Formats: sequence, structure tokens, C-alpha cells
Amino acid sequence: DGGITQSPKYLFRKEGQNVTLSCEQNLNHDAMYWYRQDPGQGLRLIYYSQIVNDFQKGDIAEGYSVSREKKESFPLTVTSAQKNPTAFYLCASSYTTHSYNEQFFGPGTRLTVL
Amino acid sequence: AQTVTQSQPEMSVQEAETVTLSCTYDTSESDYYLFWYKQPPSRQMILVIRQEAYKQQNATENRFSVNFQKAAKSFSLKISDSQLGDAAMYFCAYRSTSGTYKYIFGTGTRLKVLA
Repeated sequence: DGGITQSPKYLFRKEGQNVTLSCEQNLNHDAMYWYRQDPGQGLRLIYYSQIVNDFQKGDIAEGYSVSREKKESFPLTVTSAQKNPTAFYLCASSYTTHSYNEQFFGPGTRLTVL
Repeated sequence: AQTVTQSQPEMSVQEAETVTLSCTYDTSESDYYLFWYKQPPSRQMILVIRQEAYKQQNATENRFSVNFQKAAKSFSLKISDSQLGDAAMYFCAYRSTSGTYKYIFGTGTRLKVLA
């Protein structure tokens, strides 16, 4: 079955550590996205990529980094520079054509800083 | 820049009744897409319904329908015959048809369904 997988489901990080959240899709989508979700704030865009080896900053990119070496994969690294990383992180993907335009979402990763 | 506003942080509806969730947006573009997503307690985001701005006819998916008022930049979601399984966060979203493929989300409305 096609879909988006995120791992791990729960992640605990000590202060000062970098951690990487995995996102993989087998939908053959061109575009991939990372969102952060905090209570009462909806979804905020961290990074997005419309094509392999290219990505753009979203609204809250500080303290995060990404790579897009393969079409199927878009990992997100939360660096120690991110001051308040405890949140729920959602990965999404979509086509970049006009005929099929909705985003598909992964199940999310809950990151907690200890 | 485009913005999406959901002014109702929380709504309640009696089971089997009808409820309408509000969404307004701001854009200078004439062509775009609008979406409603549902996020149940499992936190898995699910597409409920979508609307292309160039289509005047309101989209409908079973018990879910929208009232798309392009001039007013309004995109409300109506849920008919509400069921307990409809309880969730609902997010309105906007996507341009030109330029980047960014999606703009509202802050969400939590819907409670009362038995």
C-alpha cells in the first residue's frame, strides 16, 4: 500500500543533542513538507522540497535542517540550536501538478526534550 | 502573503444534528485550492473535502459539504447528521496554483460531538 511513514513515533532528546526524524513516502510525490504542531497553533511549516536536491525554508526553519537526496526521503534534523523543540512533527507529501493537489500526511513523531 | 483564519477554536454539536465550521482566507490570487482536513485523536491528518476556486459549484462528499463564497473569501464546512466519529480538530487550508507548492493552514477548530 502506498503511503507516508514516519519514525520513530516517540522520540526523547536530551538538551544539547541533535536528533533526526525520518520521513519516507512511496507515493511518487515530487514535493515533501515538514510541519510542527503545537497546541492552539495549527500547523507551522518548517521546510519543504519540491524536487530532489532542492529545499526551501518555511516559516520556522531556525534550528532545523533537512536534506532531499532521494525522491522518497526527506529527513528532518532538530539541532541543539532549536530552543524549544518539544512538539508534534508531521511530514507530508504531494504532487506538484494541478490535477492532484492535496497533501498526504504521515502519522507524526512526538519529540520530547528531557 | 496569503492567510487562513478559523475564528472558532471550539464547537459542539449534538449527535445527528448539523454543524458549520467557518474559514476565511485572504489572497490576491484568482485561482487556488481550498481544503478541509480532519485530525482525530490519533493525530492522523485526513483530507475531508477540497474545492477548486475556478469551480462555482460547492464540493460535497457524503455528509460533508462546503459553502464557498469566493467574493467574500469564505470557505465554511457543513457536517450533516453528525456522528461521534466526527469529533476531531478540523483545519482549513489554502494552496496557490502558481509559484511554490506551499499550503497555508488555519489554527483549527476542535469539534465535540455530544451523545
